[in-house]
Amino acid sequence: DADVTQTPRNRITKTGKRIMLECSQTKGHDRMYWYRQDPGLGLRLIYYSFDVKDINKGEISDGYSVSRQAQAKFSLSLESAIPNQTALYFCATSGTEVAGELFFGEGSRLTVL
Amino acid sequence: LAKTTQPISMDSYEGQEVNITCSHNNIATNDYITWYQQFPSQGPRFIIQGYKTKVTNEVASLFIPADRKSSTLSLPRVSLSDTAVYYCLVARNTGGFKTIFGAGTRLFVKA
Repeated sequence: DADVTQTPRNRITKTGKRIMLECSQTKGHDRMYWYRQDPGLGLRLIYYSFDVKDINKGEISDGYSVSRQAQAKFSLSLESAIPNQTALYFCATSGTEVAGELFFGEGSRLTVL
Repeated sequence: LAKTTQPISMDSYEGQEVNITCSHNNIATNDYITWYQQFPSQGPRFIIQGYKTKVTNEVASLFIPADRKSSTLSLPRVSLSDTAVYYCLVARNTGGFKTIFGAGTRLFVKA
């Protein structure tokens, strides 16, 4: 089984719908992240959490919210999806204070029509 | 945080050494440099990380000059299975967590 599991792996939805992407990890890491990947743009940080009571905005948090339900679970919500949120979303974890060593999930591909 | 720039694509042949360079002119004192590999339909996978000089592990080497304005990922003797997209990342944990990924370099290894 994967150490970082994302559900769903693929989702097609309509404009205005609420969508939740879920992430769970078995690595025992405190730090969890949500990234968005678009062609030609690399990965951009949406939100991050360094422990259960800690939530921080990344560089592109507008239109998104997160919930850290437990050390192992971190979910991303789109309250009212719009077409330009069509992208590949990745959850990641890290177990070190040294920035940049991230362990990624397999990704959730979201299409907003 | 430093903007990262890397070539869009590179071609190589099996058995050759491949060097991919990333430019990060505005890198700050507290920033670390990390490289990732990504295959289609998978998440990026950590390859190597460094702060300065040279780091080597079982799959790659990372060269960082003294001014740290660039870094070079070196893959020795590539095989067909090394065909993937390689990302450069500059990141810091001080003054707030920040990450800047490059747009990725698509490496195609030919037989």
